[in-house]
Amino acid sequence: QVQLQESGPGLVKPSETLSLTCTVSGDSVSSGDVYWSWIRQPPGKGLEWIGYIYYGGSTNHNPSLKSRVTISKDTSQNQFSLKLTSVTAADTAVYYCARGHESGYHLIPYFDYWGQGTLVTVSS
Amino acid sequence: SYELTQPPSVSVSPGQTATITCSGDALPKQFGFWYQQKPGQAPLLVIKKDNVRPSGIPERFSGSSSGTTVTLTISGVQAEDEADYYCQSADNNASEPVVFGGGTKLTVL
Repeated sequence: QVQLQESGPGLVKPSETLSLTCTVSGDSVSSGDVYWSWIRQPPGKGLEWIGYIYYGGSTNHNPSLKSRVTISKDTSQNQFSLKLTSVTAADTAVYYCARGHESGYHLIPYFDYWGQGTLVTVSS
Repeated sequence: SYELTQPPSVSVSPGQTATITCSGDALPKQFGFWYQQKPGQAPLLVIKKDNVRPSGIPERFSGSSSGTTVTLTISGVQAEDEADYYCQSADNNASEPVVFGGGTKLTVL
């Protein structure tokens, strides 16, 4: 059974960098055809894809966030991470990590396993 | 940016059929996926590749695709099906490989 668990600070100050880590069990972050992903959900709102890391370490990001997002992985720890720079109150959300399974179309995943989510609040 | 459009809310009585639509220009070329999200929980995949039900999902959940619309149908709705439902797809050339619809709140009366 694949399990994912997010970890990181629950409070980040405006203009600082949000950093989260997802620890994976039951699968490897080096697996092929898998897109290790970050998705967020502002309170009371819908889902927003942030980005993913796949294959040998290539990444892809939501165009609306691209310049602020870095996704990386640590194969020795079987973890992947998110850094989001220059945060504002608009970045307050529940952040989910998820396993993306390739849909049959290159670079387009669907998400079959999710972490429980972690609330990150941006406030001074 | 690419958008997927869902109705904000759908209401049905127990035992009836709920239909939730998702519209997008690229849907004739791209798969649609559906997630159920209950309060305080992570989303759960209920339909993949337009109409494939993952293991463990009840048979009352089904999906279909026609033109620029994908549809999630829940037959014989039960109280436990009350949740938010999100569709997911991609734009035509995968420059936006993951896009979610705005979500539909299903209320079981």
